[in-house]
Amino acid sequence: EAGVAQSPRYKIIEKRQSVAFWCNPISGHATLYWYQQILGQGPKLLIQFQNNGVVDDSQLPKDRFSAERLKGVDSTLKIQPAKLEDSAVYLCASSGLRLTKQTKNYGYTFGSGTRLTVV
Amino acid sequence: DAKTTQPPSMDCAEGRAANLPCNHSTISGNEYVYWYRQIHSQGPQYIIHGLKNNETNEMASLIITEDRKSSTLILPHATLRDTAVYYCIVREHNAGNNRKLIWGLGTSLAVNP
Repeated sequence: EAGVAQSPRYKIIEKRQSVAFWCNPISGHATLYWYQQILGQGPKLLIQFQNNGVVDDSQLPKDRFSAERLKGVDSTLKIQPAKLEDSAVYLCASSGLRLTKQTKNYGYTFGSGTRLTVV
Repeated sequence: DAKTTQPPSMDCAEGRAANLPCNHSTISGNEYVYWYRQIHSQGPQYIIHGLKNNETNEMASLIITEDRKSSTLILPHATLRDTAVYYCIVREHNAGNNRKLIWGLGTSLAVNP
């Protein structure tokens, strides 16, 4: 069974440029999360979607970050304009009620992330 | 803030058991203990979870103290591929629960040949 897919795998941009990341969750998972993980730290939740609605975006820097999940499946996270401190790995995760071998923990399944470097 | 504390790093010899401790003294009655690990350049991977009984699966064992204020993740025969950052997290648990995970800094485990 396919896991959480993310692209691109790596991205290097200059500060003040814009960038977008894409996530395709596990089929049937209603909840989708975007996390930011700065080197040496644990992941920090940026935004949580339930279907196509936002449940929690309290830690999303809304002046430069935006995210959408228009059809309740795929999601995109955008940064515009990027700052040096946005350099991090951006992780997407999904969770849902349907149990599979990958989700038997009732918890999260993560993608491999997008490593963003802002120079 | 994370509700768990873990040592920042540990070493283990290949083939020996790795015992990773976690303190969660403020855990509430309906919170489970979850363990994830993150191998370099990958997303976090679920390992095991438990409420109050000890648990074992194909990856690891989880020992939770009777007062539930601490737990230990045991990798019985560590291999080089077990080198990773291990995160201990407490959260409420049910199939419909979408509470966010609050991550600490984890323990960086180095398995040495």
